[in-house]
Amino acid sequence: AQKVTQAQTEISVVEKEDVTLDCVYETRDTTYYLFWYKQPPSGELVFLIRRNSFDEQNEISGRYSWNFQKSTSSFNFTITASQVVDSAVYFCALSEAQGNNRLAFGKGNQVVVIP
Amino acid sequence: GAGVSQTPSNKVTEKGKYVELRCDPISGHTALYWYRQSLGQGPEFLIYFQGTGAADDSGLPNDRFFAVRPEGSVSTLKIQRTERGDSAVYLCASSLDPGGPPYNEQFFGPGTRLTVL
Repeated sequence: AQKVTQAQTEISVVEKEDVTLDCVYETRDTTYYLFWYKQPPSGELVFLIRRNSFDEQNEISGRYSWNFQKSTSSFNFTITASQVVDSAVYFCALSEAQGNNRLAFGKGNQVVVIP
Repeated sequence: GAGVSQTPSNKVTEKGKYVELRCDPISGHTALYWYRQSLGQGPEFLIYFQGTGAADDSGLPNDRFFAVRPEGSVSTLKIQRTERGDSAVYLCASSLDPGGPPYNEQFFGPGTRLTVL
């Protein structure tokens, strides 16, 4: 069974600070995909990044970076030099190749960037 | 349109009534998913269509919930005898196919906010 845990609920940061969101997942599948989605106040879910289970290389994309560690089943996400427009709820999600790719979401992290 | 669209954007109904929620996926996307998002929670999977058939309906909470996709494009989520606990945002997503990346990226619609009084 898929399970995603985002322990932090609300995180407040001052603009230009970095913010890291923690995500821990559970799966029995050997092939799976991890995602981060952003949900701004408008409500629409916006895809940010995806990682495959067989690729642990960590990358940076603009102000976003992620740290995927299979050994600890973690997929943490960092926003560098936060901006007010980053204020939103961020969801970590998992899909399994054998599960029709349905997404299992965590409860989300409410990020508030204070100007 | 370019993205996934859902209608209506808001639906208010009374307990016990029947409602239909519509989803128009991105043209050419064969996979379609319905999720339900309660206040303060992440979206929860309801049902998945591959083409016209419901390939996985394991997330439907009970037999009051039903969904169809008769022509493999538009999908309708139907809720009978609505209850106050059904109040939530219902999200639809589509992907090019359910296989591996990048084709399995799901694009979400804006959702339908259902309120059952």
